Amino acid sequence: KAGVTQTPRYLIKTRGQQVTLSCSPISGHRSVSWYQQTPGQGLQFLFEYFSETQRNKGNFPGRFSGRQFSNSRSEMNVSTLELGDSALYLCASSGLGQSIGYGYTFGSGTRLTVV
Amino acid sequence: SQQGEEDPQALSIQEGENATMNCSYKTSINNLQWYRQNSGRGLVHLILIRSNEREKHSGRLRVTLDTSKKSSSLLITASRAADTASYFCATDATGNQFYFGTGTSLTVIP
Repeated sequence: KAGVTQTPRYLIKTRGQQVTLSCSPISGHRSVSWYQQTPGQGLQFLFEYFSETQRNKGNFPGRFSGRQFSNSRSEMNVSTLELGDSALYLCASSGLGQSIGYGYTFGSGTRLTVV
Repeated sequence: SQQGEEDPQALSIQEGENATMNCSYKTSINNLQWYRQNSGRGLVHLILIRSNEREKHSGRLRVTLDTSKKSSSLLITASRAADTASYFCATDATGNQFYFGTGTSLTVIP
């Protein structure tokens, strides 16, 4: 079956702009989580969605937002981009909605560069 | 703050040797997972160990969990050049949110 698909793979934006990243989970997976990965901070949890509802949110400013559609596809949006938002953004899906104890399946990520 | 911390930060070994990396965490967990990441790509799930398990095997991987010490170790036996990657532990304190450690960068020299 197809894996987790993230688009685009690479993105270059200017400070102050906004950006939308997309994630298509594995078919049948209803839980989608987003992570930001930077060399200095490692993997930081952004938020998790299940059945179009945000269940958990990490410690990020309100400029970071997300949503999930009825087909489980998810988008995250970052407004008013800052240089520090440059990172690899990873999406992960899980097949067990109530417990993700069986592990995530990650996408290849979107590399965002803010200039 | 991150839940897991891996040790060492970097490890370099010869092909055929065993590689051991450790993970320490701060609060009670339901389970702990290990992931591998190749250079700037997505993470690949390796193995999950539940809080009531002490040891688990998968191929050349052996994971141990000591909940009293809040620590886990990942052993890769008979390492190969293809094992070169970063390895992360992840813990679920809340059930639907995983905290990742800072990772161990493993280099296997052919």
